[in-house]
Amino acid sequence: NAGVTQTPKFRVLKTGQSMTLLCAQDMNHEYMYWYRQDPGMGLRLIHYSVGEGTTAKGEVPDGYNVSRLKKQNFLLGLESAAPSQTSVYFCASSPPGRRGNQPQHFGDGTRLSIL
Amino acid sequence: DAKTTQPPSMDCAEGRAANLPCNHSTISGNEYVYWYRQIHSQGPQYIIHGLKNNETNEMASLIITEDRKSSTLILPHATLRDTAVYYCIALSGTASKLTFGTGTRLQVTL
Repeated sequence: NAGVTQTPKFRVLKTGQSMTLLCAQDMNHEYMYWYRQDPGMGLRLIHYSVGEGTTAKGEVPDGYNVSRLKKQNFLLGLESAAPSQTSVYFCASSPPGRRGNQPQHFGDGTRLSIL
Repeated sequence: DAKTTQPPSMDCAEGRAANLPCNHSTISGNEYVYWYRQIHSQGPQYIIHGLKNNETNEMASLIITEDRKSSTLILPHATLRDTAVYYCIALSGTASKLTFGTGTRLQVTL
């Protein structure tokens, strides 16, 4: 049982390049999330999805796009990478729950450096 | 979601209980208290959560005060592998959008 799998694990980009980060979960979870974590800081929500075909903005959505074409996959795209987007990106998933009563399960992260 | 306050760091001897406090004095009635931890540079790991009753699972116990303004995470027999940053979060809502603060860095020593 893999849980939440993120690919790639590491990537170095040049400013202006584009790329897509893939998140896959095998737990049949409805909800999926993308976070970023900068050194010494907590997680910040970029975008999230409450079901296939739906996405919503989180706390820091600028410069990113997402798609949820299949229930098990949540893609995060960087249209034109900037050095400020150097970070560790975490994907998470959870089942739906009333009143916040469902924990999130995280992948191991993608470490992205923009030169 | 309510703001939480945690001490920045704590030490614990291996084999002893680690008691990690969290203050959430503005928590509302429908907000759960969640605990996660992050070991080194891995993804955050869910530990436990509760609403008003004390909870226990295979990893830890969660003690919530009767007024719900604070809670304590207890690792009953800490090991070196429990060295991590521990995050206390209060949240509600059907899409549980987590906001992590800076947490408590727990160092377990021999």
